Order: sequence, then structure tokens, then C-alpha cells
Amino acid sequence: DGGITQSPKYLFRKEGQNVTLSCEQNLNHDAMYWYRQDPGQGLRLIYYSQIVNDFQKGDIAEGYSVSREKKESFPLTVTSAQKNPTAFYLCASSIYKTDSYQETQYFGPGTRLLVL
Amino acid sequence: AQTVTQSQPEMSVQEAETVTLSCTYDTSESDYYLFWYKQPPSRQMILVIRQEAYKQQNATENRFSVNFQKAAKSFSLKISDSQLGDAAMYFCAWDFGNEKLTFGTGTRLTIIP
Repeated sequence: DGGITQSPKYLFRKEGQNVTLSCEQNLNHDAMYWYRQDPGQGLRLIYYSQIVNDFQKGDIAEGYSVSREKKESFPLTVTSAQKNPTAFYLCASSIYKTDSYQETQYFGPGTRLLVL
Repeated sequence: AQTVTQSQPEMSVQEAETVTLSCTYDTSESDYYLFWYKQPPSRQMILVIRQEAYKQQNATENRFSVNFQKAAKSFSLKISDSQLGDAAMYFCAWDFGNEKLTFGTGTRLTIIP
């Protein structure tokens, strides 16, 4: 079955520690995204990537880093510089076409990050 | 700044009845896309319906339909024949084609048996 997988489902971070959230898709989608969701708020864009080896900052990129070495993978690292990392993190992907408008984004099941 | 506003933090509806969730947005763009996503207790975001701004006809997907008023910048979601499985958070989202979705703060929908 085609889809988006995120791991782990729950992740605990100690003070000063970097942690990496995994996102993999087998939909052959070009674009991938990372969102953060806090209680009572909608999703906010952290980073996005439209093609391999390229990515752009979203609205709240500080304290996060990403890589896009393979089309199907877009891991997110929450660094120690992110002072309030406790949140629900969602990965999404979509087909990207330069000559058309937005293609629908499909989401993974999410990762809940908690700080110890 | 582009914003999306959902003014109803919570809504409830009797099973089998109809409910309408409101969404307004602020943009100076003329061409864009609007979406409604559902987030059940599992927290996975599921696309409910999508509307292209250049289309005058309102989108429908089975029991879900939208009332898109471009001049008023309004994009409401109507759920007919509400079912228990419709209970979830519903998010309105907007994008003008730059691959960046802007989300509202969500409406929690409760279905009363």
C-alpha cells in the first residue's frame, strides 16, 4: 500500500539533546513537508522540500534542520536550540508541478515529541 | 499577512442532522486553493474536500460540501447526515500555489447520539 510513514510514534528528548524524526513516503511524490502542531493551534510549517537536495525554511524553522538526500525520505532533526520542542509533528507529501497550482498534501500519522 | 480564521472552537450536532463549520480567510491573491482537513482522535490529518478559487461551482464529496463565497472570502463546510465517525477536529487551510498551506486553529466537532 502506498503511503507516508513516520517513526517513532512517541519520542522523548532530554535537555541539550538532538533528536531526529523519520518520514518516509512511497507515493513517488516530489514535495515533502514538516509541520508542527501545538494544542489549540493549527499546523505551522517548519521546512519543506520540492526536490531532492533542496529545501526551504517555513514559518518556524529556528531550532530545526532537515535533509533531503532521497526522494522518499525527509528526516527532521530537532536541535538543542529549539527551546520548546514539545509538540505533535506531522510530515506530508505532494506531487509538485512547476506549471500548476498546489497539489493536495497527504499526511503521515505523526510523531509526538516530549521533553524529559 | 495571509490568515485563516475559524471562529467556532467547538460545535456539536445530533446524529443524522446537518452542521456547518465556518472559515474565513484574508488574501489579496486571486487564484488559490482551499481545503478542509479532518483530524480524528488518531491525529492523522485526512483530506475532506478541496476547492479551486477559479471554479464557481462548490465542491462536494458525498455528505460533505462547501459554500465558497469568494467576494466574502468565506469557505464553510457542510456535513449532511452526520455520523458518529465524523467526530473530529476540522481544519480549514489555504494556499495560493506556493506549496505552503496556511491553517486555521480548528473546530472540534462532537456528534451527539
